[in-house]
Amino acid sequence: DTEVTQTPKHLVMGMTNKKSLKCEQHMGHRAMYWYKQKAKKPPELMFVYSYEKLSINESVPSRFSPECPNSSLLNLHLHALQPEDSALYLCASSQLWSGTDTQYFGPGTRLTVL
Amino acid sequence: QKEVEQNSGPLSVPEGAIASLNCTYSDRGSQSFFWYRQYSGKSPELIMFIYSNGDKEDGRFTAQLNKASQYVSLLIRDSQPSDSATYLCAVAGGTSYGKLTFGQGTILTVHP
Repeated sequence: DTEVTQTPKHLVMGMTNKKSLKCEQHMGHRAMYWYKQKAKKPPELMFVYSYEKLSINESVPSRFSPECPNSSLLNLHLHALQPEDSALYLCASSQLWSGTDTQYFGPGTRLTVL
Repeated sequence: QKEVEQNSGPLSVPEGAIASLNCTYSDRGSQSFFWYRQYSGKSPELIMFIYSNGDKEDGRFTAQLNKASQYVSLLIRDSQPSDSATYLCAVAGGTSYGKLTFGQGTILTVHP
């Protein structure tokens, strides 16, 4: 089973709202990722967690705040977003953060910022 | 030069034909190579991964890797309309440790 789940599927928020995206995997993977994908572009890496510790932050604005409460869960807290942050947000996981492990993607959250 | 380049699309093939998708990469230290399929509005779905030079077959899909030429390809035999999607080549290892480097994607359309 290579399932990564994400909630919600769709999210509409105003620029003053605070919301969170959730990601869960039960494959025993120890690396989890957040990506942002704009239309007709490949996914862009935002954050990497390895063994629940933040390992990579790709210079993401502080209005995006990741959190990894345990090895199965990954959250992305959103605050004071801009309309240009509207995108598909993808969570992925891999067995380890070895640099070459296969990443499996969740279904994504379609975020619209008004 | 882009780190991962895919053949520019869109690519259109008739049903039943072989679709050939190509990808070149610039980092010689790259170690793992992936093909993801992405339907419009959906998330990327892993189709194949390959680590060693040569061919790897899985059903109608064959991935080919040539590290000397820094080239990886995906062949889809007996193409079906349901194969119509964007195909993303991704490369891992090398100088971009811990990151997948994606190509821009190739849009494939299989027409009946």
